Amino acid sequence: EPEVTQTPSHQVTQMGQEVILRCVPISNHLYFYWYRQILGQKVEFLVSFYNNEISEKSEIFDDQFSVERPDGSNFTLKIRSTKLEDSAMYFCASSVGTGRNQPQHFGDGTRLSIL
Amino acid sequence: AQKITQTQPGMFVQEKEAVTLDCTYDTSDPSYGLFWYKQPSSGEMIFLIYQGSYDQQNATEGRYSLNFQKARKSANLVISASQLGDSAMYFCAMREANSGYALNFGKGTSLLVTP
Repeated sequence: EPEVTQTPSHQVTQMGQEVILRCVPISNHLYFYWYRQILGQKVEFLVSFYNNEISEKSEIFDDQFSVERPDGSNFTLKIRSTKLEDSAMYFCASSVGTGRNQPQHFGDGTRLSIL
Repeated sequence: AQKITQTQPGMFVQEKEAVTLDCTYDTSDPSYGLFWYKQPSSGEMIFLIYQGSYDQQNATEGRYSLNFQKARKSANLVISASQLGDSAMYFCAMREANSGYALNFGKGTSLLVTP
């Protein structure tokens, strides 16, 4: 069964450094998403992406964050000048469409630890 | 206000028994979708089951079924014949047709299946 893949599984970074999280969505999916989950808390939406542009973003997704689809398969989340509070599990997800009945399929996540 | 409420932070069930995980939601949008995800201790998010607001019948997917009570705005997940591998966090999520692409998640219920 096709799946969303994320790399790396764990990233440790010094505060103030830039980090890039990578995702390969399911191949026939057109909509891509990033979510984050701070330890012990619920999953929070960051951003959705379609047709090479951001379609929606939350208030968490400030100027520190950016997303890109650099080629036909990868989808990346960049965090500039990381802060301690950016430590979280980051999930990439994708869906075929955006109908209310379209499930978003999640990757295994990247655990980001900021020191 | 919370869109999704999961009132049970933790649940225990004995192997082979059935268990119900509660989820209530808040929306004024007549068109919405409700999703359940499983998060094992390894961290990945696994899509389990979907229920649409216009669906006449309760959704079923193998050992998972939804007890959907639209008037009460509840969508409880029923797991039949529990297995040890069902031990995980379970998240209820909602997407409203007129509110963008984001899934709104509840805080989750931790399920422990005992032998």
